[in-house]
Amino acid sequence: AQSVTQLDSQVPVFEEAPVELRCNYSSSVSVYLFWYVQYPNQGLQLLLKYLSGSTLVKGINGFEAEFNKSQTSFHLRKPSVHISDTAEYFCAVSGPYPNQGGKLIFGQGTELSVKP
Amino acid sequence: DGGITQSPKYLFRKEGQNVTLSCEQNLNHDAMYWYRQDPGQGLRLIYYSQIVNDFQKGDIAEGYSVSREKKESFPLTVTSAQKNPTAFYLCASKTSGGSYEQYFGPGTRLTVT
Repeated sequence: AQSVTQLDSQVPVFEEAPVELRCNYSSSVSVYLFWYVQYPNQGLQLLLKYLSGSTLVKGINGFEAEFNKSQTSFHLRKPSVHISDTAEYFCAVSGPYPNQGGKLIFGQGTELSVKP
Repeated sequence: DGGITQSPKYLFRKEGQNVTLSCEQNLNHDAMYWYRQDPGQGLRLIYYSQIVNDFQKGDIAEGYSVSREKKESFPLTVTSAQKNPTAFYLCASKTSGGSYEQYFGPGTRLTVT
């Protein structure tokens, strides 16, 4: 079975500071990995995804993530955050098997709060 | 514009009543999903459908029912058997094939009193 753990439930940070949101996953098979962002009372928007290839993945809004297979991690980073990055961030994993229906397993979420 | 619509945005019901949440997509996606979101618990899968007239239970299907009569539509009924129905409900869809990301609607916040 697959699982996802987001290691921080809340991350406060000052504007223009760097940030890292941590995500570890558990799986006995190869996986696809995703980061989504959710603004208050809205749906989820895809930030970036890792399917294969380069382990450093760049996404929208200046975010990037690094897939580390040996540490089963997929941490999200941004070198300089803005007030507008305040939101909840979800890490998700999907297995490669078609008969799993493309299901996503989500972490519990990390609330990023950017302060002026 | 292509996308997923969920209606209504806010829904209020009395305990003991069934309620149906709408989800429509015009992305021509084959698969559709319903998730429930509660504070601090992430998203949990209720039901999903990979093709028309077929659907499977997710992790928390008890007290919910769905139908998939058209490719574009995947309504979710929250029945009176669902013990704690107040939550934020999100619908998503994805294309079949190699792209594994799901696209999400704006959500419906259901409050049952």
